[in-house]
Amino acid sequence: DAGVIQSPRHEVTEMGQEVTLRCKPISGHDYLFWYRQTMMRGLELLIYFNNNVPIDDSGMPEDRFSAKMPNASFSTLKIQPSEPRDSAVYFCASSRPRDSLNEKLFFGSGTQLSVL
Amino acid sequence: EDKVVQSPLSLVVHEGDTVTLNCSYEVTNFRSLLWYKQEKKAPTFLFMLTSSGIEKKSGRLSSILDKKELFSILNITATQTGDSAIYLCAVVESFGNEKLTFGTGTRLTIIP
Repeated sequence: DAGVIQSPRHEVTEMGQEVTLRCKPISGHDYLFWYRQTMMRGLELLIYFNNNVPIDDSGMPEDRFSAKMPNASFSTLKIQPSEPRDSAVYFCASSRPRDSLNEKLFFGSGTQLSVL
Repeated sequence: EDKVVQSPLSLVVHEGDTVTLNCSYEVTNFRSLLWYKQEKKAPTFLFMLTSSGIEKKSGRLSSILDKKELFSILNITATQTGDSAIYLCAVVESFGNEKLTFGTGTRLTIIP
């Protein structure tokens, strides 16, 4: 059973460039979450989807950030244009349907983003 | 307006010691509290707590929730170097708001 798969593992880019992070959730999980982790702020929720529909994007910092989930097995997080303060580890996580009260998140390995 | 506060922020102990990590929260319509361990990369699940006073246990790790006082503790007995990690606490609010809100974590270092 493959876990949550994220790509790329590392991304180094220059300020102003577009960055696209990718995520494949675990099959059968209908919730998908994007988190950002920094030393200063810890793990912050950016956005989450239920059945491919964005439910809460209040954590998306600015209009430069956008996320899509075109189908149940794929999501992207895009930053355009990127800035040095966007440097962080970006995690994707998925979980099973809520009616089972199983809120355990399964995290991907993360994308380490460095914006120079 | 931090909803989930963990303490201490970091802790250094010797192998064999017992440690207690704290997590306090302030949310309306609490549903559950979860503990995660983060070593190199992705956090991994440890416990989920929904009821007060019931201890969850897994080997040398245990956790308990106090819903009246709004906190949880994570205990690790006979610590080993492999316990070195960041321990994260997260809270889930009621149905209709499915997101986990994480604390900033406690960085635990075990010295051999």
